[in-house]
Amino acid sequence: GQNIDQPTEMTATEGAIVQINCTYQTSGFNGLFWYQQHAGEAPTFLSYNVLDGLEEKGRFSSFLSRSKGYSYLLLKELQMKDSASYLCAPLNGAGSYQLTFGKGTKLSVIP
Amino acid sequence: NAGVTQTPKFRVLKTGQSMTLLCAQDMNHEYMYWYRQDPGMGLRLIHYSVGEGTTAKGEVPDGYNVSRLKKQNFLLGLESAAPSQTSVYFCASSYSAVLGGSNQPQHFGDGTRLSIL
Repeated sequence: GQNIDQPTEMTATEGAIVQINCTYQTSGFNGLFWYQQHAGEAPTFLSYNVLDGLEEKGRFSSFLSRSKGYSYLLLKELQMKDSASYLCAPLNGAGSYQLTFGKGTKLSVIP
Repeated sequence: NAGVTQTPKFRVLKTGQSMTLLCAQDMNHEYMYWYRQDPGMGLRLIHYSVGEGTTAKGEVPDGYNVSRLKKQNFLLGLESAAPSQTSVYFCASSYSAVLGGSNQPQHFGDGTRLSIL
């Protein structure tokens, strides 16, 4: 089975940096995805990590530590449009390649 | 580009009625998935398919059936709707689990908002 833990809500100021943490316990781990979901919309892919370390993609970066079962999403130079839920999703690669999604972190960016 | 298209977008049913949700993708993806999303519960996998003619159960399959007769379509059926099935349903697809050593992201449709009275 899989157990995923991420904060329910976070608030940050426009222009600031925010880090959203995710811890997981899973069997057959084969990488971790982060998705962004604006209210009332579909989730959209942000990043994927399979090796330990930091992956940078513009204002967004994602970090993975496989030994610690830990990942974080780092958002820099926050903009109002970054207000959304951020979903952590480890991939179970033990045959079925199923994603299990965390409950999501609702980020509110304030002026 | 259409991507992943879900129909209908909204539906209200009475308890005991049946209906089929349609998902169509035009990206030639092998894998397709049905999720439901409820407040405080996150996305939960109902059923999935790893190719035409194949289906498998996910985390919460009870009360649902699926079919993948054509590669581009994945149908989700509710034979006898119950109020507990009120939810937002998302379909997703991915090219494959692994391509060139890199796992492939899932692409989501816009969702179907289903209310059962």
